[in-house]
Amino acid sequence: DAKTTQPPSMDCAEGRAANLPCNHSTISGNEYVYWYRQIHSQGPQYIIHGLKNNETNEMASLIITEDRKSSTLILPHATLRDTAVYYCIVRVARQNSGGSNYKLTFGKGTLLTVNP
Amino acid sequence: KAGVTQTPRYLIKTRGQQVTLSCSPISGHRSVSWYQQTPGQGLQFLFEYFSETQRNKGNFPGRFSGRQFSNSRSEMNVSTLELGDSALYLCASSSLADNEQFFGPGTRLTVL
Repeated sequence: DAKTTQPPSMDCAEGRAANLPCNHSTISGNEYVYWYRQIHSQGPQYIIHGLKNNETNEMASLIITEDRKSSTLILPHATLRDTAVYYCIVRVARQNSGGSNYKLTFGKGTLLTVNP
Repeated sequence: KAGVTQTPRYLIKTRGQQVTLSCSPISGHRSVSWYQQTPGQGLQFLFEYFSETQRNKGNFPGRFSGRQFSNSRSEMNVSTLELGDSALYLCASSSLADNEQFFGPGTRLTVL
């Protein structure tokens, strides 16, 4: 899996948008960008994933640059409960994995602290 | 539907003992993966099981093993426990159609 680079920490004011960047300059054409988050001492929670188009769901938006070398996760209205470590991961889709390498390789992520 | 469940949630063992952790995936999910999380190494992939077969394995010693049953429930076993095995052990399940993995709450293992 391609490596990703994320800032170690970020702060955000409650109610404001949180924009979390991720660099994945060595991403391959068949690799997706995934975002997970982990609230302290809980299991990671899936947020969103995308290949090359921007994606939006009830939790967040994912903006992927045209060259796919970087992406931004956007939490439109951050709340205190969004304080967590956010992981950006690139990985091939299951159907392209040939049964192998179907795993998530976690980096250190970004600790997002939402302040009141 | 119910999420991934892991038992026990907390466990204390001593060096040299062995331990078995259990994971029940989301109903209908046939893939179960295990991860170890420590402060020093972060989240690391242990292995994945699909239809009772281990398909992928991370870089862990042979003391770490697992299995999957016909109902997709999975167990992992760690033999001859070492202090460094103290960690949060996470299980994740997914279906063939899903590209995302759904994680359980984890089992916190402390080795004294």
